[in-house]
Amino acid sequence: SAVISQKPSRDICQRGTSLTIQCQVDSQVTMMFWYRQQPGQSLTLIATANQGSEATYESGFVIDKFPISRPNLTFSTLTVSNMSPEDSSIYLCSVLTGPGANVLTFGAGSRLTVL
Amino acid sequence: AQSVTQLDSQVPVFEEAPVELRCNYSSSVSVYLFWYVQYPNQGLQLLLKYLSGSTLVKGINGFEAEFNKSQTSFHLRKPSVHISDTAEYFCAVRPIQGAQKLVFGQGTRLTINP
Repeated sequence: SAVISQKPSRDICQRGTSLTIQCQVDSQVTMMFWYRQQPGQSLTLIATANQGSEATYESGFVIDKFPISRPNLTFSTLTVSNMSPEDSSIYLCSVLTGPGANVLTFGAGSRLTVL
Repeated sequence: AQSVTQLDSQVPVFEEAPVELRCNYSSSVSVYLFWYVQYPNQGLQLLLKYLSGSTLVKGINGFEAEFNKSQTSFHLRKPSVHISDTAEYFCAVRPIQGAQKLVFGQGTRLTINP
């Protein structure tokens, strides 16, 4: 399966600032998915990022708050803008892998704490 | 749309005892089913999956799950647990056709006591 590297692994941020999370995959993939896991909660899909087109956002998530870039088939970034304590979460990058690309493989996640 | 319900938020068991983590789903279309495990302070790791074929699937670390289409369930079982199985377990589904979105349950925290 694909190997996914995320940076930073964790960070502590000040209210009102923005942080960009990077996701690098060791193989070319069509779609990359960004999920959020709030403390003690399950995972919620933020958006799907396709190379060469704008990301598709899920209900409750907007581009101004979570801009995404997808410059090539192995890399994507997610920015969390104008952060508040409610944005404290683990943000995970994922891609479809395996025969038929049916299995979602996750990076280790980026744990953000907003003070 | 799909939804996933994990019936137990927490399951405490003693070491070497059997365990079952329950998962029910709702979907108007056929789905693939997955169980993921999240160890403390780590990312998600695929435990097992059902894509087609035999409804009893075996995964890593001695876990298995059975797909029951009539009951729309995909319960996870292990005959004898170890301390190292302490983790959060997530059930998830994805439509076979259409959107690639994976929908997760709320998770079950499995705690193994010595």
